[in-house]
Amino acid sequence: DVKVTQSSRYLVKRTGEKVFLECVQDMDHENMFWYRQDPGLGLRLIYFSYDVKMKEKGDIPEGYSVSREKKERFSLILESASTNQTSMYLCASRGGWEDFYEQYFGPGTRLTVT
Amino acid sequence: AQKVTQAQTEISVVEKEDVTLDCVYETRDTTYYLFWYKQPPSGELVFLIRRNSFDEQNEISGRYSWNFQKSTSSFNFTITASQVVDSAVYFCALITSGSRLTFGEGTQLTVNP
Repeated sequence: DVKVTQSSRYLVKRTGEKVFLECVQDMDHENMFWYRQDPGLGLRLIYFSYDVKMKEKGDIPEGYSVSREKKERFSLILESASTNQTSMYLCASRGGWEDFYEQYFGPGTRLTVT
Repeated sequence: AQKVTQAQTEISVVEKEDVTLDCVYETRDTTYYLFWYKQPPSGELVFLIRRNSFDEQNEISGRYSWNFQKSTSSFNFTITASQVVDSAVYFCALITSGSRLTFGEGTQLTVNP
C-alpha cells in the first residue's frame, strides 16, 4: 500500500512564526503536491514538485515556499504564518503513466494560526 | 482546459437508501483518467476508483458502483443500501497526460440512521 505521512495532524502556531509541514511518501513517486482545503473553496493546489529540487507554483503559492531535497520528502514552509493561513493542508504523491496517475493523499494537517 | 463539475453540493438520505453522486467532466484530450475519492470526517482523502478513457465498462465493488459514459462525459457513483459510515465528502477528479489533477467541488453525503 502507498503510504503518505504528514508530520502532524493538528498544529497551532502564532502569527509571524515560521512553520514547517513535512510530508513523506514511500512509493518512490516523482510527483508530490501540497493542497489546502477550506470550506466552500474545495481543494486548491499550493505547490508541486515533479523531481528532487524541482518545484512549480500551483494556484495559490503566495505566502508559501517548498523544499524537496530528497525524493521521498516534500516540505511546505510558511515563512511568516498569518491567520488567513489557518486551514487543512493535504500532501499527496503520484506516480506517472505507468501507475495510471493514481494520486494518494496523506492524513492532512489542520493548522490553526492565532 | 479541464473541468469537473459535481452539481450536487449536499445530499441527505436515510440509511439503506440508494444514492447516486453525479460527476460531469470536460476535456479536449482523448486520453484521460477519472477518479473518485472519499473524504470522511477525519480529513484524509481515500482513493476509491480509477477509470481510463478507453474503458467504459462499469464497475461494481460491493455496495459501490460506477457508471462511465463518454457520450455524456459523465462518471457517476452509486452507493447501494447506504450506511451511516458512508457519510463523507466525495470528490470526482480528472487527469490527462502530464497535467495536474482537476477536482470537482465535492459532494457532502449525509446518511441518517
